[in-house]
Amino acid sequence: KAGVTQTPRYLIKTRGQQVTLSCSPISGHRSVSWYQQTPGQGLQFLFEYFSETQRNKGNFPGRFSGRQFSNSRSEMNVSTLELGDSALYLCASSAESYEQYFGPGTRLTVT
Amino acid sequence: AQSVTQLGSHVSVSEGALVLLRCNYSSSVPPYLFWYVQYPNQGLQLLLKYTTGATLVKGINGFEAEFKKSETSFHLTKPSAHMSDAAEYFCAVSDGRSSYKLIFGSGTRLLVRP
Repeated sequence: KAGVTQTPRYLIKTRGQQVTLSCSPISGHRSVSWYQQTPGQGLQFLFEYFSETQRNKGNFPGRFSGRQFSNSRSEMNVSTLELGDSALYLCASSAESYEQYFGPGTRLTVT
Repeated sequence: AQSVTQLGSHVSVSEGALVLLRCNYSSSVPPYLFWYVQYPNQGLQLLLKYTTGATLVKGINGFEAEFKKSETSFHLTKPSAHMSDAAEYFCAVSDGRSSYKLIFGSGTRLLVRP
C-alpha cells in the first residue's frame, strides 16, 4: 500500500496570505489527523477528522481549519498567516487501531 | 489531562552500546503509549506501541520498551546501537477513547559515536 502523501512538500508564503495543505491517507484509513511541529513548541495536535467529521480539535486559533472529503483526503487551511506559523505540518492516517502513520510533512515558511 | 516527559533532549552513545531513552507519562485513564522515530527531513515512523496485554513490547529495528504502571514509565531500549539509529525519538500517549489524538513528548535526539 502506498503511504500517506502530503502536498506540497515545501511552501513559502508572505504574512497575511492564506495557505491550503493537502493530505492523502493510506487507502482504507478513515481517520486523518494534523500536527504542527516547531523547534519551540514541538509536536502539537491540530485536529482529527473521521468520516468527514471533525472528531477532536487542538488549542489553535480559528485561523487554522480543516476538512475531510468523502474519499478520506483531507485539507487544512491557515488564513492570515503569521511568522509564527512557520512549521512542519504533519498529517497522519489511522485505520481504527490507534496506530497513526505519518506523511513526510509540508514545510511552510512565512516571510 | 495527559502529558509526556522525555528526560534528556540529547543522548550520546557509542556504536554497540546500550541505548536507553526515557519517557514518563501522566494519564488519568489507562494509556496507549507509542514511540516514534524521525529522521532528518522526514515524517514520523512508528517504532512500537503499547495498548493492552504484555508490558514488554518489541518493535522494529531491535527496539523494545517496557510499560511500568507503578513508575508511569515507558522507556525505550536497544541492546546495541548502530550508526543508523541516529535520529530524533518521540514518546507519545493517547487516551484511547473517542479520538486518536496523540500527545507527544519534547523528543530526544540520539547521537551515535563511531
